[in-house]
Amino acid sequence: KAGVTQTPRYLIKTRGQQVTLSCSPISGHRSVSWYQQTPGQGLQFLFEYFSETQRNKGNFPGRFSGRQFSNSRSEMNVSTLELGDSALYLCASSLTGQHSGNTIYFGEGSWLTVV
Amino acid sequence: QKEVEQDPGPLSVPEGAIVSLNCTYSNSAFQYFMWYRQYSRKGPELLMYTYSSGNKEDGRFTAQVDKSSKYISLFIRDSQPSDSATYLCATAYSGGGADGLTFGKGTHLIIQP
Repeated sequence: KAGVTQTPRYLIKTRGQQVTLSCSPISGHRSVSWYQQTPGQGLQFLFEYFSETQRNKGNFPGRFSGRQFSNSRSEMNVSTLELGDSALYLCASSLTGQHSGNTIYFGEGSWLTVV
Repeated sequence: QKEVEQDPGPLSVPEGAIVSLNCTYSNSAFQYFMWYRQYSRKGPELLMYTYSSGNKEDGRFTAQVDKSSKYISLFIRDSQPSDSATYLCATAYSGGGADGLTFGKGTHLIIQP
């Protein structure tokens, strides 16, 4: 059974540009969550999608957005990139959501460097 | 004060030793507790998942939750060099994940051969 797949694995962008990251969850999983990981802040929740609807959102500015498609695949977009957006972006997959009782699986992440 | 506190380490122990990793949390509403292992430049891998207070054992790993003191622990017996990684504790509310999982910042563990 394939795990959570994230693309691209590594990318470098310039300040002011925008970036789109992609995530394919485990087959059969309908919930996809996104997290940002930095050395200073650790893992921080961005948002969660379930059945193409954003269910929850963390405390990030509107430059961070996402969407989920009918096949449960998800994308997240960061517009007007800032140096502080440099981080590992992790996608997490679960059957019905990251609430009680569900096992949550992470992908390998997308390393974003903003220069 | 962060909701989940975790000593960043590094924690260095000799091979074969028993390792104790710990987190404290402040929100008594947390009901679910997890430990993830993260190797360098990889995504977190779920190790242990426990509900409320108590112990859970899986092979060389034991997770322990004490809700009265808001303290969670992971014990690794017969530690191996392959256990060298960053260990993240995580918590979740019961009945809803409005804020996602809340993670500690991770403890960097080094097992010396």
